[in-house]
Amino acid sequence: AQRVTQPEKLLSVFKGAPVELKCNYSYSGSPELFWYVQYSRQRLQLLLRHISRESIKGFTADLNKGETSFHLKKPFAQEEDSAMYYCALSTYNQGGKLIFGQGTELSVKP
Amino acid sequence: DTEVTQTPKHLVMGMTNKKSLKCEQHMGHRAMYWYKQKAKKPPELMFVYSYEKLSINESVPSRFSPECPNSSLLNLHLHALQPEDSALYLCASSQDFGLSEQFFGPGTRLTVL
Repeated sequence: AQRVTQPEKLLSVFKGAPVELKCNYSYSGSPELFWYVQYSRQRLQLLLRHISRESIKGFTADLNKGETSFHLKKPFAQEEDSAMYYCALSTYNQGGKLIFGQGTELSVKP
Repeated sequence: DTEVTQTPKHLVMGMTNKKSLKCEQHMGHRAMYWYKQKAKKPPELMFVYSYEKLSINESVPSRFSPECPNSSLLNLHLHALQPEDSALYLCASSQDFGLSEQFFGPGTRLTVL
């Protein structure tokens, strides 16, 4: 069965420190992977998708099929990065249904 | 217009009330979704409409009744809800029912007394 695991419920770092939010997935085929972010009192929005290979707000994520991981990284965290981050998997055989991880709350302290 | 809008923002209802949530998008998207989200939890898919037809019902209780009057509108009719149904109800849309990005609305915060 398809599954997304985000092992850290809460990640706390200081401003300027590197940050890595972990995401592992379970799927035998070729998945579509996303990172969504939910800032306080704002709507859930797409941050990254693996096929676009973009860097958004300084964040990058690389799909590692061997390790079935899609970790989100940023070299220098900012206070405005504090938010809830969800890794999500979409598979064509389920019609694009998004399977979310449990989420990691990132707290960036000054 | 590149946003999904939802009304109302907040709703308080009793267990015997009937109410409706509304979602609208004008991006020409052909797939629309209802999710339920509890605090600090991921969204849980409830329903998917593709080309105005119900494609997925994730075994949602019948006290939730979705409706897609046209390609831009999605409603969720609520009747005889329970206090545990209190949550943030999110609407989303995507270009089509497949692997495309989903755009989320701000949600309706529902409290059932």
